[in-house]
Amino acid sequence: AQSVTQLGSHVSVSEGALVLLRCNYSSSVPPYLFWYVQYPNQGLQLLLKYTSAATLVKGINGFEAEFKKSETSFHLTKPSAHMSDAAEYFCAVSLYSGNTPLVFGKGTRLSVIA
Amino acid sequence: EPEVTQTPSHQVTQMGQEVILRCVPISNHLYFYWYRQILGQKVEFLVSFYNNEISEKSEIFDDQFSVERPDGSNFTLKIRSTKLEDSAMYFCASSDEDTQYFGPGTRLTVL
Repeated sequence: AQSVTQLGSHVSVSEGALVLLRCNYSSSVPPYLFWYVQYPNQGLQLLLKYTSAATLVKGINGFEAEFKKSETSFHLTKPSAHMSDAAEYFCAVSLYSGNTPLVFGKGTRLSVIA
Repeated sequence: EPEVTQTPSHQVTQMGQEVILRCVPISNHLYFYWYRQILGQKVEFLVSFYNNEISEKSEIFDDQFSVERPDGSNFTLKIRSTKLEDSAMYFCASSDEDTQYFGPGTRLTVL
């Protein structure tokens, strides 16, 4: 069965600093990988996805993630944090296609300090 | 931009009562899902629905739960007899070929 591990339940960065949110997955077949963001009192918004095309994936709001098969990782980065990036970030994996059930990590809460 | 909508945003009910959570998926999507998030925990898959039938369900989705697409646009989740542990945020999602899009959620509080 597939699983997702997000290292760090809470990450705090200064405004303008690099954002790095870690995600490692386990999967018996090539996975589909997703990052979702949840702002306070809102639903899950898709940030970006990896579906076996380019390994470096660019998403919305300046975020990107790199699929590294050898490390079974899909870390999320942003060069310069903005106050509006403060939210909960979820990494998710699905097998075979994006239509199969998503397995989510526990989430990482990102705080941005002025 | 099309989006998934859910009603109500917040539902409070007494233990043992039936609740129906409603969702309107994105119109040209064919796959529909329910997930839940208990406060402080990860988002968990409940059920997926395709071609007017359940395609997959988790062990959480027991006989107390049911789903229906009654009129070609709405997608509902019914909990027959709510328990305290059903208190959670329930998310509906729909997907195109490879991506699931989520609604804003319904917060269910069981007293």
